Amino acid sequence: EDQVTQSPEALRLQEGESSSLNCSYTVSGLRGLFWYRQDPGKGPEFLFTLYSAGEEKEKERLKATLTKKESFLHITAPKPEDSATYLCAVLSPQGSGGGADGLTFGKGTHLIIQP
Amino acid sequence: KAGVTQTPRYLIKTRGQQVTLSCSPISGHRSVSWYQQTPGQGLQFLFEYFSETQRNKGNFPGRFSGRQFSNSRSEMNVSTLELGDSALYLCASSWGGSPLHFGNGTRLTVT
Repeated sequence: EDQVTQSPEALRLQEGESSSLNCSYTVSGLRGLFWYRQDPGKGPEFLFTLYSAGEEKEKERLKATLTKKESFLHITAPKPEDSATYLCAVLSPQGSGGGADGLTFGKGTHLIIQP
Repeated sequence: KAGVTQTPRYLIKTRGQQVTLSCSPISGHRSVSWYQQTPGQGLQFLFEYFSETQRNKGNFPGRFSGRQFSNSRSEMNVSTLELGDSALYLCASSWGGSPLHFGNGTRLTVT
């Protein structure tokens, strides 16, 4: 069974204090890893897709990286508006390639950036 | 381009009642998936529809059902509501292997 574990569960940082969120996974033949951001009372918002080990994606203060067993979401000099829950999800080969098929979500990291 | 729209945003029901939630996907997206989100369990997959056919189903009891219409809009129904059904129900659409795009959910409270 595919498993996705995110750590830490919660993280409180000061504005400008850089850190990293971890997403560890166990899936044979990863087809893709996704990062989402979720604000309170809203649905998850897509951030990145990573497909192979060594791949990196960047968007503003966020950078996602991928190895064969885990992914990191690095947050550089965060601002209070970066406060949210960050979710990762992995796509396994069992998926037919569309939609939610073969997709497993982690429980998320709740990030708070204090001014 | 309009995003995924879910209605209603909030619902309060009593135990034993049934409820129907609605989802309009992004235009052109033919796959619609439903998730239940609770603080303890995170996002749990309910089912997925593609071209009016259920393609996948999660590990939920038969009280949870859904359907998709020819215009890709989808509904999910929960019968005989239980207190444990209180959750945020999220709908997501996709097409051609694109990542899921989520709506803002329906917050269901069962009293």
